[in-house]
Amino acid sequence: AAGVIQSPRHLIKEKRETATLKCYPIPRHDTVYWYQQGPGQDPQFLISFYEKMQSDKGSIPDRFSAQQFSDYHSELNMSSLELGDSALYFCASSLDLGRTTHNEQFFGPGTRLTVL
Amino acid sequence: GNSVTQMEGPVTLSEEAFLTINCTYTATGYPSLFWYVQYPGEGLQLLLKATKADDKGSNKGFEATYRKETTSFHLEKGSVQVSDSAVYFCALTTRPSNTGKLIFGQGTTLQVKP
Repeated sequence: AAGVIQSPRHLIKEKRETATLKCYPIPRHDTVYWYQQGPGQDPQFLISFYEKMQSDKGSIPDRFSAQQFSDYHSELNMSSLELGDSALYFCASSLDLGRTTHNEQFFGPGTRLTVL
Repeated sequence: GNSVTQMEGPVTLSEEAFLTINCTYTATGYPSLFWYVQYPGEGLQLLLKATKADDKGSNKGFEATYRKETTSFHLEKGSVQVSDSAVYFCALTTRPSNTGKLIFGQGTTLQVKP
């Protein structure tokens, strides 16, 4: 079965650079969530989209922005990168905001971002 | 606010031992509860879920029962294997004003020795 695809899997950037992370949800899924997991930490919710509109916002820095496109894939744009942005970034997808599937989300393998 | 608290790890067990990882929650509304597992270097995989009080989720020998009276969702397995070594996260989402975001506990590392 098709899963959530994230690219790139690994990314190394310098401080103050920009990065773009991409997420391709499971086919027919219309909801995308982004989470950030720091070393040894639990995943923290950043932002979500449903039907190409932002549906919720968590602890996402103003330096980050995201959007969902017409084909439902999503991109997380990160600017003025800081050392503290080094983390594993997960994308998850679900159908219909999880309303019909009891909020079950399917996670991608993550993008490991290292800021030097 | 909504939150999840897990027992601290690491939990170290011998193969075939009984496993319990405690999870308690605080939530408004009616939460759905989940256990996710993260193997080394990999993403999060849904292990099991329960969507209402007294529901029991089960998968791959793991079980957890949604206990509303004690606000708990403890993970259990009768006989662990070395391959179960991973980090386990308890998580919730809430309804009705729900956008589906997951709130995770801090994770519990399980190490199973042969």
